[in-house]
Amino acid sequence: QSALTQPASVSGSPGQSITISCTGTSSDIGAYNYVSWYQHHPGKAPKLMIYEVSNRPLGVPDRFSGSKSGNTASLTISGLQAEDEADYYCSSYTSSSTKWVFGGGTKLTVL
Amino acid sequence: EVQLVESGGGLVQPGGSLRLSCAASGFTFSSYDMHWVRQTAGKGLEWVSAIGVAGDTYYPGSVKGRFTISRDNAKSSLYLQMNSLRAGDTAVYYCTRASGTYYDFDYWGQGTLVTVSS
Repeated sequence: QSALTQPASVSGSPGQSITISCTGTSSDIGAYNYVSWYQHHPGKAPKLMIYEVSNRPLGVPDRFSGSKSGNTASLTISGLQAEDEADYYCSSYTSSSTKWVFGGGTKLTVL
Repeated sequence: EVQLVESGGGLVQPGGSLRLSCAASGFTFSSYDMHWVRQTAGKGLEWVSAIGVAGDTYYPGSVKGRFTISRDNAKSSLYLQMNSLRAGDTAVYYCTRASGTYYDFDYWGQGTLVTVSS
């Protein structure tokens, strides 16, 4: 069981918006603004999409946005495109000895 | 272009050992913290170890005392020595680079599969 809780799957049609939630605790998401999101197409290297809750690395489209409220972080993808279909993982720094925790991943299907 | 290429995975019996390597290129390796993260079937991602630019190391309780992370800056290489392997260590192991903000992973390799089974 992963430390952070994500829905197993979400889906949306091209052009629509979807939001993936990531729920942690007051020791990780609630304590730090060090939440990041990764896109993973199976067989490829995971890709950083959002860091420090809401910042996008260079090259990541502004269709991707992140936010946080309390112990829950969210990734929103607007204007869904076929190439967005992938697995998405959240991560947070934590005050525990584990230091970094991840969610179990959410499979995004673009219908 | 930043590249991270893992190698050394394979099939090993429970209780056995394996050494993973990660060849880095496209950046000044010695200037970045590096990590290993694994993906187990059905359990998502799990942070495995980290090494700072000064050689300081960190592990979660699940691998502490069994795994050792190391780096060779002259060779731009990262290593993971895994001892006393268990079935639960079966996973794809990714080499990752910590970003300039330290708390996220901005580049990942494609991973190497480790299977622990008799």
